[in-house]
Amino acid sequence: GEDVEQSLFLSVREGDSSVINCTYTDSSSTYLYWYKQEPGAGLQLLTYIFSNMDMKQDQRLTVLLNKKDKHLSLRIADTQTGDSAIYFCAPEGPNDYKLSFGAGTTVTVRA
Amino acid sequence: DTGVSQNPRHKITKRGQNVTFRCDPISEHNRLYWYRQTLGQGPEFLTYFQNEAQLEKSRLLSDRFSAERPKGSFSTLEIQRTEQGDSAMYLCASTLGTEAFFGQGTRLTVV
Repeated sequence: GEDVEQSLFLSVREGDSSVINCTYTDSSSTYLYWYKQEPGAGLQLLTYIFSNMDMKQDQRLTVLLNKKDKHLSLRIADTQTGDSAIYFCAPEGPNDYKLSFGAGTTVTVRA
Repeated sequence: DTGVSQNPRHKITKRGQNVTFRCDPISEHNRLYWYRQTLGQGPEFLTYFQNEAQLEKSRLLSDRFSAERPKGSFSTLEIQRTEQGDSAMYLCASTLGTEAFFGQGTRLTVV
């Protein structure tokens, strides 16, 4: 299966930008997703990018994809306390559409 | 449509008992997935259905686990003779095309 690596923790001051990084191993992933999980809850789809794009912007969220390096990042502008959560990047397999997850990055927003 | 619905939200069971979880996907979503998430980890793929056909099962899914999706609508996941290692959050997701939406999960505790 695919390996997905993320840094485990990120602390950011309210109002600053957050950047969450992710590396993956399967270069044939077609779509790459970002999900948010709050304590005790399911996963909320935030955004995604198609593999032939290198950037996608969606309001406060910017996704960057470096397909050559198999590196994906999520930038959250003007980070708010409500952004405190665990963030997962999840590449999708090309044939079976299933998602591979890493351990997630816990983002803590401090005042 | 209110999204993917999972029941029950929480289940506490004694070791050795059987449990069954239910997932109601978003209507008309043809693909349905089950994932398992343990504490501090990302979700791991268990199995998925395209309509009523079960197309893939992870090797994580031992013989004690069985999943069904009769008529291609709701799905059930049954665990027989539960063990303490089965304690986890069981997540269901559905998709019609690009975006996979997750339910709130069923948290299983085996005592």
